[in-house]
Amino acid sequence: AQSVTQLDSQVPVFEEAPVELRCNYSSSVSVYLFWYVQYPNQGLQLLLKYLSGSTLVKGINGFEAEFNKSQTSFHLRKPSVHISDTAEYFCAVSDLADKLSFGAGTTVTVRA
Amino acid sequence: GAVVSQHPSWVICKSGTSVKIECRSLDFQATTMFWYRQFPKQSLMLMATSNEGSKATYEQGVEKDKFLINHASLTLSTLTVTSAHPEDSSFYICSAKWGREAFFGQGTRLTVV
Repeated sequence: AQSVTQLDSQVPVFEEAPVELRCNYSSSVSVYLFWYVQYPNQGLQLLLKYLSGSTLVKGINGFEAEFNKSQTSFHLRKPSVHISDTAEYFCAVSDLADKLSFGAGTTVTVRA
Repeated sequence: GAVVSQHPSWVICKSGTSVKIECRSLDFQATTMFWYRQFPKQSLMLMATSNEGSKATYEQGVEKDKFLINHASLTLSTLTVTSAHPEDSSFYICSAKWGREAFFGQGTRLTVV
């Protein structure tokens, strides 16, 4: 079984400032890691994923994440946020059975 | 990328009635779909795994007689909330797998009055 911990429930940030959302996971097997974004009353949109290969993963909208196996982390970063990045962000992990387990989510609020 | 369409986007129903939510993969075939429930300000909770041509696999604590799942074709899974009650009010989201990636529907806001 795997689990995901998102360490920050809310992250307020000013426009054009950098942001980092922390995610740690636990699993007894190899996993695949994902970050999703959810806007109000909408489904989830994939930002990026780590399946294998390079530990630095680049996604859409200028986001990137780094897989750190020794620290079991998959933190999400963006060097300069926009107002439109205000949303809920979910880190997720899946095992070979392909079931996704989600973290509790991080609310990012970008202020002008 | 692949597109998953969920219908309806929102529904209001009376207590005691049943509501059907559809999840369609528009441009790919999905042998496996997943149904989630999301409470306000909370994460997604997996309810069940829907397998085409076979019975759904429910997560612990989810009533299979209340949340009926049918996956009759490779592009359609349905979730029926039977005898709905106000406590069933929630945001329901489906996803379909394509390769190693899950694609999500837009979600359905169910309000039982």
